Amino acid sequence: KNEVEQSPQNLTAQEGEFITINCSYSVGISALHWLQQHPGGGIVSLFMLSSGKKKHGRLIATINIQEKHSSLHITASHPRDSAVYICAVSRYQGAQKLVFGQGTRLTINP
Amino acid sequence: SAVISQKPSRDICQRGTSLTIQCQVDSQVTMMFWYRQQPGQSLTLIATANQGSEATYESGFVIDKFPISRPNLTFSTLTVSNMSPEDSSIYLCSSVFYNEQFFGPGTRLTVL
Repeated sequence: KNEVEQSPQNLTAQEGEFITINCSYSVGISALHWLQQHPGGGIVSLFMLSSGKKKHGRLIATINIQEKHSSLHITASHPRDSAVYICAVSRYQGAQKLVFGQGTRLTINP
Repeated sequence: SAVISQKPSRDICQRGTSLTIQCQVDSQVTMMFWYRQQPGQSLTLIATANQGSEATYESGFVIDKFPISRPNLTFSTLTVSNMSPEDSSIYLCSSVFYNEQFFGPGTRLTVL
């Protein structure tokens, strides 16, 4: 079993829909990251969380440390949000290397 | 923020040859990381490139296959040696700058 599991693996929605991507992990972590990978391969860091909730524009990320679970939400989704969203965790305090989930491929249709 | 560039962006190579990928960061960083992303898969850490000492390799990766150099705090290279079609992947370098993760654009390698 992977240390970081994401669901769903693939998600297709219509423009404007509210999107939720889930991430569960089975190990102790110091931080959880949400990353976005576009079709060309480039990866952008969206959030780093160690507790609570963060918001940036239409993106919201939450984490529940007790339940070892995080969610990424996209409000008013748009075709340009189409990408692979990856959850990753830092295992130890001060650790910079990451353990990655398998990614969620999101497609938003106009 | 930090900007990471990689060269080449893509290459097609013959079985048995080697390819060296360069990674340049526009800021001085303590650690640089090399990841591999096989087709349809997520990222797997190959090794951590440490300035002034040997790289630290993850389980399943060895120095003879993936030699790494880190001559200074802004630059690193990863060589994929004696390539086989199974090495066809995207190779990405990454670092952390002020607690934020940055990734290079990746090198898409195809081995025939």
